[in-house]
Amino acid sequence: AQKITQTQPGMFVQEKEAVTLDCTYDTSDPSYGLFWYKQPSSGEMIFLIYQGSYDQQNATEGRYSLNFQKARKSANLVISASQLGDSAMYFCAMREGNAGGTSYGKLTFGQGTILTVHP
Amino acid sequence: EPEVTQTPSHQVTQMGQEVILRCVPISNHLYFYWYRQILGQKVEFLVSFYNNEISEKSEIFDDQFSVERPDGSNFTLKIRSTKLEDSAMYFCASSEEGLPAQHFGDGTRLSIL
Repeated sequence: AQKITQTQPGMFVQEKEAVTLDCTYDTSDPSYGLFWYKQPSSGEMIFLIYQGSYDQQNATEGRYSLNFQKARKSANLVISASQLGDSAMYFCAMREGNAGGTSYGKLTFGQGTILTVHP
Repeated sequence: EPEVTQTPSHQVTQMGQEVILRCVPISNHLYFYWYRQILGQKVEFLVSFYNNEISEKSEIFDDQFSVERPDGSNFTLKIRSTKLEDSAMYFCASSEEGLPAQHFGDGTRLSIL
């Protein structure tokens, strides 16, 4: 079974609109962390946002927020006020164990969603 | 802002040759990783390294692969005898004690001919 599932191969959004990128995960570990990374066409991987499994509130970082629904095992990324520079591949990833804040452990990535922002 | 640095950005190598990919993690980071991404596919974990030893490795990381931290700043990935299927983008990442984010370098694109 896939540990991270991103069901949207591609998404389109109008500039200045909000967009939600879906991510569901599968783990039996009570401690885990969820991450979103952005990969522009130039290839680098840029860390966007993190949510720990014990965090009570949804994570936010500027225009990025993570809609964490633990019972549904979903961790959707919401980008508000989309910009042309947001066009990129977006990866959801999970680290099992160590959700209490330590940084150790491998990341398991989903297949990614290509976001295209139209002017 | 400090960043993870990888060299070279692109490496072209004949099949069967050895290749060394180099990384300089962020200076106060203690945990180091290598990942790879075959073109058009998802990013896959290869190996993690802490306290001068491998802490975890994937099934991809077979005897052809090795990692080393030869000095206080560099972290290398060696592939002893490259195969065509080793062609991929290789990412180095590092993370700091107590913080969750793994910071990635820009990657080395490895092309095996």
